[in-house]
Amino acid sequence: AQSVTQLGSHVSVSEGALVLLRCNYSSSVPPYLFWYVQYPNQGLQLLLKYTSAATLVKGINGFEAEFKKSETSFHLTKPSAHMSDAAEYFCAVRNQAGTALIFGKGTTLSVSS
Amino acid sequence: NAGVMQNPRHLVRRRGQEARLRCSPMKGHSHVYWYRQLPEEGLKFMVYLQKENIIDESGMPKERFSAEFPKEGPSILRIQQVVRGDSAAYFCASSPPYPDNTGELFFGEGSRLTVL
Repeated sequence: AQSVTQLGSHVSVSEGALVLLRCNYSSSVPPYLFWYVQYPNQGLQLLLKYTSAATLVKGINGFEAEFKKSETSFHLTKPSAHMSDAAEYFCAVRNQAGTALIFGKGTTLSVSS
Repeated sequence: NAGVMQNPRHLVRRRGQEARLRCSPMKGHSHVYWYRQLPEEGLKFMVYLQKENIIDESGMPKERFSAEFPKEGPSILRIQQVVRGDSAAYFCASSPPYPDNTGELFFGEGSRLTVL
């Protein structure tokens, strides 16, 4: 069965620092992988997705993620954090049946000035 | 182009009452998904529906919970005889039919249920 594990429930960075949010997946089929962001009291917004094309995926707001099959990882990065990046981030994998996305438990990103 | 619309945004019920949560998918989308979010637990898949059909309900509790997506009107998530443990945020998402479906789900802003 498909699953994702997000390493670190909380990550704190300074404004301007590198953001690295970790996600490892388990999948019995070539995976479709996603990163979503959630701001307080709002729904989830797609940051980027991997659907078996280029392994380096660029998303919105300067985020990108690299699919590494050998490491079963799909880590999210941003070169320079902004205060507005403070939010909760979720990694997700499409289930084998294609009927749902399976989400990790999320990582809360804090950005300090 | 309106996004996924959920209502009510906030709902308070006493134990034993019924809760009905509604979801209108994005225009042109015929697939609806319901998720539940509890603090520190992320989003848990509940059910996936197409018009008039439940496709996957593997995440739905066996009792008290039901979902429908009629031919006309919004999708409804119904919780009967609510208990305090049902307090959570319930999110609806939608996606277009194939071949336009790339796996991405479009989420509403959620309905927050509080059971007293």
